Amino acid sequence: DVKVTQSSRYLVKRTGEKVFLECVQDMDHENMFWYRQDPGLGLRLIYFSYDVKMKEKGDIPEGYSVSREKKERFSLILESASTNQTSMYLCASSPGQPLLKQYFGPGTRLTVT
Amino acid sequence: LAKTTQPISMDSYEGQEVNITCSHNNIATNDYITWYQQFPSQGPRFIIQGYKTKVTNEVASLFIPADRKSSTLSLPRVSLSDTAVYYCLVGGYSGGYQKVTFGTGTKLQVIP
Repeated sequence: DVKVTQSSRYLVKRTGEKVFLECVQDMDHENMFWYRQDPGLGLRLIYFSYDVKMKEKGDIPEGYSVSREKKERFSLILESASTNQTSMYLCASSPGQPLLKQYFGPGTRLTVT
Repeated sequence: LAKTTQPISMDSYEGQEVNITCSHNNIATNDYITWYQQFPSQGPRFIIQGYKTKVTNEVASLFIPADRKSSTLSLPRVSLSDTAVYYCLVGGYSGGYQKVTFGTGTKLQVIP
């Protein structure tokens, strides 16, 4: 079974702090994704990566950056956390094939105060 | 990227068949249609995927008409445990990598 793990289930940070969210997958998948999920807005793609050191902006990249130094690990960075970044953050990975079958982690609920 | 439109919510009684339709008018030639299920406090889980016509697995069926501008997820004989949010996802490879768009999902409430 594919396993996608995220570093924390719950996280509380202060405004202006630098925040790291880590995601690790154990199935040698090429693609990895970061989403945020907010009530009424569904899942929105922040960034994705299709190879080590490669990244592409999703729909809402502002205020975020990512890092993928190793194939199994994809980090989301909030350079200076703000209250409007309070959300559920979901990481996913997928192989090159089949298309779009993504495996999700359990999520990190981040609260910025 | 193709944008998807789904009903916000649906109610169904236990034992009934449920059909959830997703509209994706500007689907691209190489896009696939994928459906996910999400329970509260969990990440989404893959249900089914198709390109055209009909696909069936042990959980659901997916109907895609010839023009591919919509798709219908069919859940046979739902139970209370099928209460969840269902997402329609359309996307595929673009420029050598996957680009995807989730809809806002349909909240299915199964009633005893």
